[in-house]
Amino acid sequence: NAGVTQTPKFRILKIGQSMTLQCTQDMNHNYMYWYRQDPGMGLKLIYYSVGAGITDKGEVPNGYNVSRSTTEDFPLRLELAAPSQTSVYFCASSYSRGPLGQYGYTFGSGTRLTVV
Amino acid sequence: RKEVEQDPGPFNVPEGATVAFNCTYSNSASQSFFWYRQDCRKEPKLLMSVYSSGNEDGRFTAQLNRASQYISLLIRDSKLSDSATYLCVVNKAAGNKLTFGGGTRVLVKP
Repeated sequence: NAGVTQTPKFRILKIGQSMTLQCTQDMNHNYMYWYRQDPGMGLKLIYYSVGAGITDKGEVPNGYNVSRSTTEDFPLRLELAAPSQTSVYFCASSYSRGPLGQYGYTFGSGTRLTVV
Repeated sequence: RKEVEQDPGPFNVPEGATVAFNCTYSNSASQSFFWYRQDCRKEPKLLMSVYSSGNEDGRFTAQLNRASQYISLLIRDSKLSDSATYLCVVNKAAGNKLTFGGGTRVLVKP
């Protein structure tokens, strides 16, 4: 059982380049999320999805796009990379809300992105 | 005011000692509370959920105080391996998103 798998683990991009960060989960979780974490800072939500075909913006969506065509996959697209997007990106997933409220997240191991 | 606030620390703790720290949250309608642990350059990992009655998992005890809107984490008999950043996590009243605090760094020293 792999959990949440992110690829690549590391990437260096030049300003203006594009890339897709991949995220796959095999736990049949409905909810999936993308966060970024800058050095010494907390996690900021970029986008999230509550099911296939449904996505919504988080706190810091500018410069990013997502899609959710299947329950398992939730790729994050950077169209025109900027130095401000240098960060560690974490994908997470969880079950839907239960009777006690929100379930905790399972995180992938992260993608370290540097834009130069 | 931030939605979830934590003392960033670091809390320097002698091995074997007890350390406790709090986290305050601003939304009185929040229902779900968690403590996550994050090691340097690693992903956050769920340490424990926090329930109204408080809960204990080995050397770790979590408490929720709804009246004062804070949760706490206590670590007994600290081990060197407990050195990490501890993230306080709270759900928004509506929707399906969790809000993460900035983390409290704990350093356990011999």
